[in-house]
Amino acid sequence: DTGVSQDPRHKITKRGQNVTFRCDPISEHNRLYWYRQTLGQGPEFLTYFQNEAQLEKSRLLSDRFSAERPKGSFSTLEIQRTEQGDSAMYLCASSPIFWTGMVEQYFGPGTRLTVT
Amino acid sequence: DAKTTQPNSMESNEEEPVHLPCNHSTISGTDYIHWYRQLPSQGPEYVIHGLTSNVNNRMASLAIAEDRKSSTLILHRATLRDAAVYYCILSQGAQKLVFGQGTRLTINP
Repeated sequence: DTGVSQDPRHKITKRGQNVTFRCDPISEHNRLYWYRQTLGQGPEFLTYFQNEAQLEKSRLLSDRFSAERPKGSFSTLEIQRTEQGDSAMYLCASSPIFWTGMVEQYFGPGTRLTVT
Repeated sequence: DAKTTQPNSMESNEEEPVHLPCNHSTISGTDYIHWYRQLPSQGPEYVIHGLTSNVNNRMASLAIAEDRKSSTLILHRATLRDAAVYYCILSQGAQKLVFGQGTRLTINP
């Protein structure tokens, strides 16, 4: 078990460009979460999947953001027409589901996005 | 989402115990108390969680007040590697985590 991985680790893009990030969760983890973290703040929830179904989206997730989890394995987060305000660390986490419902989330190292 | 209140920063010395407080006066009966920490340049890491009773694991202990309106994360012997931002979070089951600003812990050698 290699943990949650994210790719790329760093991305610099120009305003107006599209970017896509990938997250590979721990194998057999049903749930996958995306968070965004700006400098000096705690992570903010964006969206989560249970298997391939996207179950909740934050109001922070504007129309320019889209996330997918085809086949319930890896996930992608795409940002279209990037803005400078999108500069942040994008974190992915995964967790299993147990009947008790109480499980911990395992976080990846994050993708740092800089929009110039 | 239920909110928590933590001090912005705390400082301690290496090899001494550290008590990190958290207030959650609006906690509901089904809220679990979680602690995560985030080391510099890393994603958050689970530390411990509890519901009503005190909990111990290899990383830390969690002391929960009898009325559940506050809790304390205890690091028994702090090391330099424990320097991080510690987040106290309330959550129900396998749901999204709502992070506050956390407590930045500094460990002095």
